[in-house]
Amino acid sequence: NAGVTQTPKFRVLKTGQSMTLLCAQDMNHEYMYWYRQDPGMGLRLIHYSVGEGTTAKGEVPDGYNVSRLKKQNFLLGLESAAPSQTSVYFCASSYDPRTGVGSGALGDTQYFGPGTRLTVL
Amino acid sequence: QQQVKQSPQSLIVQKGGISIINCAYENTAFDYFPWYQQFPGKGPALLIAIRPDVSEKKEGRFTISFNKSAKQFSLHIMDSQPGDSATYFCAASIWSVGKLIFGQGTELSVKP
Repeated sequence: NAGVTQTPKFRVLKTGQSMTLLCAQDMNHEYMYWYRQDPGMGLRLIHYSVGEGTTAKGEVPDGYNVSRLKKQNFLLGLESAAPSQTSVYFCASSYDPRTGVGSGALGDTQYFGPGTRLTVL
Repeated sequence: QQQVKQSPQSLIVQKGGISIINCAYENTAFDYFPWYQQFPGKGPALLIAIRPDVSEKKEGRFTISFNKSAKQFSLHIMDSQPGDSATYFCAASIWSVGKLIFGQGTELSVKP
């Protein structure tokens, strides 16, 4: 299993440009998440999805859109990139914690991808 | 609003020493407290987690201590090794909801 993969690994954008980050998981997880990581800020949730065709806002959703057309994929879009969106973006996935699948000591473990480093000039 | 506060921001420990990282939370509805470990250039990975029905959980050299009344929990790394050098994040969530709120992170460096 590849686990959680992210494409691309690095990207440089100019202010105002758009782009889409792709996250894919092969663990049949219901839940998927997009985070951004900034120095001293930890990981902050941007958007998440509890199943195919559903999305919801996290802590810092402004300037981002997402789509979950297939269970295994979760896309993060930046319509008009700004320098404040320079960050490292992580995708994660997990089982639905309500079903008990994967529960026990590991509970609703989130499995993270390797990250995408985005710079907006 | 930062619901999970983590300290210290950075920590330097000698090989064989004890590393201690502390976290405090505000939301009393939180019932799942994991710690994630992140190596440079990699995504975070679950290290150890605890539910509030126990005050301590130990896995090898890693121990979580949990104080429900104080709304605090901490990670202890015994016999710290250079290979433990990484960034550690505490987190909290309402287990049935699944959304994790992360602390700010602690960069641990273990000197040989």
